[in-house]
Amino acid sequence: IAGITQAPTSQILAAGRRMTLRCTQDMRHNAMYWYRQDLGLGLRLIHYSNTAGTTGKGEVPDGYSVSRANTDDFPLTLASAVPSQTSVYFCASSDTAGGTDTQYFGPGTRLTVL
Amino acid sequence: GQNIDQPTEMTATEGAIVQINCTYQTSGFNGLFWYQQHAGEAPTFLSYNVLDGLEEKGRFSSFLSRSKGYSYLLLKELQMKDSASYLCAVRDSNYQLIWGAGTKLIIKP
Repeated sequence: IAGITQAPTSQILAAGRRMTLRCTQDMRHNAMYWYRQDLGLGLRLIHYSNTAGTTGKGEVPDGYSVSRANTDDFPLTLASAVPSQTSVYFCASSDTAGGTDTQYFGPGTRLTVL
Repeated sequence: GQNIDQPTEMTATEGAIVQINCTYQTSGFNGLFWYQQHAGEAPTFLSYNVLDGLEEKGRFSSFLSRSKGYSYLLLKELQMKDSASYLCAVRDSNYQLIWGAGTKLIIKP
């Protein structure tokens, strides 16, 4: 693995189903983030984690949950999917220990909720 | 509220120079980022400004004026592969990134 991986690449999901989007990084970054990207809008932060064992809510957290059991993994769960959660989801990570704290992105998951 | 403004779309000619502007109003300022995003791909980091002035990186330069809440990304010697969306993001007082909607740059031969 090099960088950040996300799975699945794309998914079509029936409304009401539960879905977990996976994110793994191998850069030993302490911070990780989940964004959604919708046409005509900027990236919007869903949840974040500054370090393993801690999580925080972003701008649009409703309907989503996250966990950070270790440094590398940061799964995003939709407990009961709704059509408005149709979007492209990006996971990102950064090293907040110094420097510019630049965020690096995974390839994204395209989710369609019908 | 917090706001990042960028033009929705710009068109330029191969070999030319283009300037993409970004204005921002945020609660606090802890740096401004520019990312490039090709269609269907992830955003990739281009530049970071935290102090006023120009940062040059090859064909790409980024400028910041904190007093004006303004930045631009300058792309020189445009190539067809530069066709992409360019995203401006500001890190606010909570150290979260606030993102603009992006500028789609179309390069014509």
